[in-house]
Amino acid sequence: EAGVAQSPRYKIIEKRQSVAFWCNPISGHATLYWYQQILGQGPKLLIQFQNNGVVDDSQLPKDRFSAERLKGVDSTLKIQPAKLEDSAVYLCASSVGTSNYGYTFGSGTRLTVV
Amino acid sequence: DQQVKQNSPSLSVQEGRISILNCDYTNSMFDYFLWYKKYPAEGPTFLISISSIKDKNEDGRFTVFLNKSAKHLSLHIVPSQPGDSAVYFCAATSTGANNLFFGTGTRLTVIP
Repeated sequence: EAGVAQSPRYKIIEKRQSVAFWCNPISGHATLYWYQQILGQGPKLLIQFQNNGVVDDSQLPKDRFSAERLKGVDSTLKIQPAKLEDSAVYLCASSVGTSNYGYTFGSGTRLTVV
Repeated sequence: DQQVKQNSPSLSVQEGRISILNCDYTNSMFDYFLWYKKYPAEGPTFLISISSIKDKNEDGRFTVFLNKSAKHLSLHIVPSQPGDSAVYFCAATSTGANNLFFGTGTRLTVIP
């Protein structure tokens, strides 16, 4: 079984620029999550999709962050405009259902905002 | 507000000895707890979990203990191996919740 694919692996941008991350979950996994992991902290949920609908986006800074999951498969996370404090690893994860029990993470995208 | 805390940022143990990683939580609604292991440049991988109806769960060299009254859990690795060197995250959730709450992680180094 192929894992959760994310791209790019690394990205360096200047503040106020825009950036987008892509995630391809495990085939058949209905639930997709985006987490933000700032250096020295644990991952924090940004948004959860069930198929192509949003289940929870309460922690997503909607003034600059947006995410979509067209057709209930791939997902993109966008930041526009980026701030220095957005420097983090952005992790995508997927699971079969809505259970949190042991879902699968991708390798993440490390974003550096300078 | 950090609801899941791992107060030891790092731990070093000799190969073959026991590694004990600790985790505390503040939310009494949490009823399911997980440990994830993370190698550099990789995403976290699920290691072991425990429901609040149990106080111990064992899987090979890994055992998780839960003390609900103290809101404390620990992960024991016996015997520790160099390949266990990684960052370990404790996570918690509650029935019906949408997400996991993670601790800040403990970096385990197993010295050969």
